[in-house]
Amino acid sequence: ILNVEQSPQSLHVQEGDSTNFTCSFPSSNFYALHWYRWETAKSPEALFVMTLNGDEKKKGRISATLNTKEGYSYLYIKGSQPEDSATYLCASVTGGGNKLTFGTGTQLKVEL
Amino acid sequence: KAGVTQTPRYLIKTRGQQVTLSCSPISGHRSVSWYQQTPGQGLQFLFEYFSETQRNKGNFPGRFSGRQFSNSRSEMNVSTLELGDSALYLCASSSSGTGLNTGELFFGEGSRLTVL
Repeated sequence: ILNVEQSPQSLHVQEGDSTNFTCSFPSSNFYALHWYRWETAKSPEALFVMTLNGDEKKKGRISATLNTKEGYSYLYIKGSQPEDSATYLCASVTGGGNKLTFGTGTQLKVEL
Repeated sequence: KAGVTQTPRYLIKTRGQQVTLSCSPISGHRSVSWYQQTPGQGLQFLFEYFSETQRNKGNFPGRFSGRQFSNSRSEMNVSTLELGDSALYLCASSSSGTGLNTGELFFGEGSRLTVL
C-alpha cells in the first residue's frame, strides 16, 4: 500500500444497523492514524487519533481499531442514526510526523 | 473558546491572478496546516507550519506558498491562478508541538475559491 485507501466508497444503511469501514495505509514509517467525520456544509471533526498497534478507541456508538503491522484500521458504528450520515475520513501521518495523507473517504447515508 | 477562522469564505478570481487566504488558529495552537479539497482528489496536504517554520510540504507546484506569523496566524498564497486551482481550501490547527502524530486537528470552515 502506497497511499491511504478507504472502502467502501459509499454506504447506505437503515437506522439501527451497525456498520464498519476500512482504512488501509502504508505500514512502514507509521506515526499515527486520524479519523474524522465530515458532515455536509460543516468542517471535518476529529473522532480519534491512534498511535499504538492494537489500539482501540471508543466514543459513544463509534469505535475504531488499529493494526499498524498490516496497515489497516476499522471504524465501527453501532446502531446507526440519521445524524451519523457524513463522510468518514482517515489520514495517515507521515513525513517525519508533520504530514497528513488523507483517504478519499467513506460516505455514509443512514435512512429511516 | 473561538474556533479556527478562515477568511475570506468565498472568492472568485480569474486565471493569472493571485490570491491570499488567511487562517487564525485556536488560541494557543502553534501548528497550522493547509489542505486543498477537490471533488476528484479528496483532501490534499499543502503544508504545515509550527512557530513560523514550515515543517513539511505536499506535492504542489511552487505557485502555492504559505507563511506563519509570530501570533500563529497563517496565510497561504497562490500565484498565477489556473482553472484547476478552484477548490475548497481548509486550514487546521493543532495543539501538538511534536507533530501531527499526537494532536487532533481542528478545522476551519474553509475558503472556497473559484477561478474563472
